[in-house]
Amino acid sequence: GQSLEQPSEVTAVEGAIVQINCTYQTSGFYGLSWYQQHDGGAPTFLSYNALDGLEETGRFSSFLSRSDSYGYLLLQELQMKDSASYFCAVPDNYGQNFVFGPGTRLSVLP
Amino acid sequence: EAGVAQSPRYKIIEKRQSVAFWCNPISGHATLYWYQQILGQGPKLLIQFQNNGVVDDSQLPKDRFSAERLKGVDSTLKIQPAKLEDSAVYLCASSFRRNTEAFFGQGTRLTVV
Repeated sequence: GQSLEQPSEVTAVEGAIVQINCTYQTSGFYGLSWYQQHDGGAPTFLSYNALDGLEETGRFSSFLSRSDSYGYLLLQELQMKDSASYFCAVPDNYGQNFVFGPGTRLSVLP
Repeated sequence: EAGVAQSPRYKIIEKRQSVAFWCNPISGHATLYWYQQILGQGPKLLIQFQNNGVVDDSQLPKDRFSAERLKGVDSTLKIQPAKLEDSAVYLCASSFRRNTEAFFGQGTRLTVV
């Protein structure tokens, strides 16, 4: 089956840069996704990496290294509104369903 | 474009009672997912539909949970009878194709007392 590991909590200050890591173990690999979820809200899609390297979308970037079974989400110019939980997710063994990591709770301090 | 609609937003029931949740996915999305999210954890897939057919229900506790997708659009998830450990947020999501970006609804927060 699939398993993912993420740090449980990360704290940073406004304007800083923070990196949230994700390591995974999968039987097959179909890509790594990232979702953001504010307290009481719905998970929202942030990014998807199928190939090695860095994908940039505004203040958020996502990196993947398939050889290391590792990826990270990079958040730059942190804002208070970035305080949320961040989940990495991979498709299951059949490339059909998303298996979510345990989540990293990011707290942005003033 | 309208998002994924779910109702109710909150539900409190006693153990052994029944409860049903409703989901209307984004128009044109063939794939529909139901996830269970326990506080402090990531969402866990319960069942996936492709149009009105079940693709994966391997993690659905079938002795108490059931789900259907009427005419490949709306879906309902039912729990009968509920247990205390079913207390969670039940999230519905849809995507245009399998394994593409999933759009989530606001979820139903279920409390079983």
